[in-house]
Amino acid sequence: KNQVEQSPQSLIILEGKNCTLQCNYTVSPFSNLRWYKQDTGRGPVSLTIMTFSENTKSNGRYTATLDADTKQSSLHITASQLSDSASYICVVSANNQGGKLIFGQGTELSVKP
Amino acid sequence: DAGVTQSPTHLIKTRGQQVTLRCSPKSGHDTVSWYQQALGQGPQFIFQYYEEEERQRGNFPDRFSGHQFPNYSSELNVNALLLGDSALYLCASSLDQEDNEQFFGPGTRLTVL
Repeated sequence: KNQVEQSPQSLIILEGKNCTLQCNYTVSPFSNLRWYKQDTGRGPVSLTIMTFSENTKSNGRYTATLDADTKQSSLHITASQLSDSASYICVVSANNQGGKLIFGQGTELSVKP
Repeated sequence: DAGVTQSPTHLIKTRGQQVTLRCSPKSGHDTVSWYQQALGQGPQFIFQYYEEEERQRGNFPDRFSGHQFPNYSSELNVNALLLGDSALYLCASSLDQEDNEQFFGPGTRLTVL
């Protein structure tokens, strides 16, 4: 069964600190993996996308890594800001799913002053 | 260039009623997917429309139906509303059926009383 699992479920950090969010998946055959940021009550916004051959991708203070062998990904946030408070969702697509995305349950990040 | 738009932003209905949600895809996109996101959960795939036909469907009952118009905009209809249908409904568009670079709209918050 195609699944995406994220950890931790929630995280509280102080402004300026770094953090790392984890994503494990069992989707096969793998096509690509995305990290989305979703503010409360809003639609998800794409942060990074990685294919099988990519093992790291950065977008400003966000850096995503991918290990296709172990089927794990991480999202590292550097020098966190209050505006980073949001849900971060790992999304995986499979080659045979015709565009269908498989979502993780998200990690709720709260950045405190 | 307008992104994905959805209407209405918020909606309150009572059990047993019917609701119609609307989505206009990003310019140049012809494929629309609908998702249901319960509070604190990741989005769940409802169905995808391409060339005015439903191409894929998630695990949702027949009370959930949709339509795509010649201009690629789409509607999601839910009949006989249940309390459990309360959620954020997200629309996402992509270039075509096989492209899984999906762009999300802001969502419609449906509350069923």
